[in-house]
Amino acid sequence: NAGVTQTPKFRVLKTGQSMTLLCAQDMNHEYMYWYRQDPGMGLRLIHYSVGEGTTAKGEVPDGYNVSRLKKQNFLLGLESAAPSQTSVYFCASSFGTGVPPHFGDGTRLSIL
Amino acid sequence: EDQVTQSPEALRLQEGESSSLNCSYTVSGLRGLFWYRQDPGKGPEFLFTLYSAGEEKEKERLKATLTKKESFLHITAPKPEDSATYLCAFPNYGGSQGNLIFGKGTKLSVKP
Repeated sequence: NAGVTQTPKFRVLKTGQSMTLLCAQDMNHEYMYWYRQDPGMGLRLIHYSVGEGTTAKGEVPDGYNVSRLKKQNFLLGLESAAPSQTSVYFCASSFGTGVPPHFGDGTRLSIL
Repeated sequence: EDQVTQSPEALRLQEGESSSLNCSYTVSGLRGLFWYRQDPGKGPEFLFTLYSAGEEKEKERLKATLTKKESFLHITAPKPEDSATYLCAFPNYGGSQGNLIFGKGTKLSVKP
């Protein structure tokens, strides 16, 4: 089983460019999350979804959009990338609230 | 405000030198605390869930314990392969549904 798969693993963008980060899970989880991890800041929730067709804002949602058209996929979009969005992005999924989520191995994104 | 603090930020041990990592929290109504291990370039990997004060969980050289104010991750006779960053987190029921509040982690280095 693959678990949680994130693509791409690395990406370099120029300021103002757009891109989409892909997350796929094969565990039939209802909940999916996007986190960012920055040095000295820990993991912070960007957006999350409690089921197919639903999305909600997390702690740091500005500058990002998400979509959950299929239960197994959760997409994170950057419409106009900014240097402050340089980070490592982690996708996670779980069966529900209070259940420890499984994480992917991250996408390392640099915005120049 | 719910928050979690991990100490120390970094810990260097000799192989076989036992020690403990601390995770202290202020949460209104704790309903679970999770420990994760994160290797460089990887996503967090789930280790333990603790639900109530007095509870203990063990896995190989690791033992997690929980009190009303803090959790400890005890490492007995560590080996170099135990080197990683250890994260604690708890579900934030008062905020974004299913969100985890993460500590900033303790980076453990075990030298042979």
